[in-house]
Amino acid sequence: NAGVTQTPKFQVLKTGQSMTLQCAQDMNHNSMYWYRQDPGMGLRLIYYSASEGTTDKGEVPNGYNVSRLNKREFSLRLESAAPSQTSVYFCASSESHYNLGGRNEQYFGPGTRLTVT
Amino acid sequence: DAKTTQPPSMDCAEGRAANLPCNHSTISGNEYVYWYRQIHSQGPQYIIHGLKNNETNEMASLIITEDRKSSTLILPHATLRDTAVYYCIVRVPKQYGNKLVFGAGTILRVKS
Repeated sequence: NAGVTQTPKFQVLKTGQSMTLQCAQDMNHNSMYWYRQDPGMGLRLIYYSASEGTTDKGEVPNGYNVSRLNKREFSLRLESAAPSQTSVYFCASSESHYNLGGRNEQYFGPGTRLTVT
Repeated sequence: DAKTTQPPSMDCAEGRAANLPCNHSTISGNEYVYWYRQIHSQGPQYIIHGLKNNETNEMASLIITEDRKSSTLILPHATLRDTAVYYCIVRVPKQYGNKLVFGAGTILRVKS
């Protein structure tokens, strides 16, 4: 049981290049999330998928696209990378996006460290 | 979601209790208080959550004041491995779903 896995761990891009960050979970969770974390700051939500077949914008969606490929996988795409997208990207999953106060914690992956030059 | 205020940093001696405060004076009646922590370079980890009552699990205790305007996370016997950034988050799961809004958190340094 690996939990949440992310690939790659590190990536360097030139301005204007594109890439896709991959995320997979093996906990049979319905909901998945993409966050970014800039130095010295808390995480900010980019996009989320409450259930397979749905995606919604979070706090900072500009410059990103997502695909919920199936229940296990949720990818984040940068179409034209910019230096402002240099950050650490975390994927997370939870049992359900909507609950009535249960534990429903989010499980986070190890992160992808992206540098755009 | 209600905003939270946490001290930027705290120190704690190894083996002693670490008490991390959080102010959420604008919290509404149906908002839960969640605590996560982030050990250096890793993804955040859930610790505990609560609504009105005090809560305890294998990792920590959560004390919520009667007026719910503040809470304290207690690590009863801090170890060096508890050095991390601790985030206090309040949210309404039914209205906003499971979106977490992270502030800057409190850097807890446990010293031997």
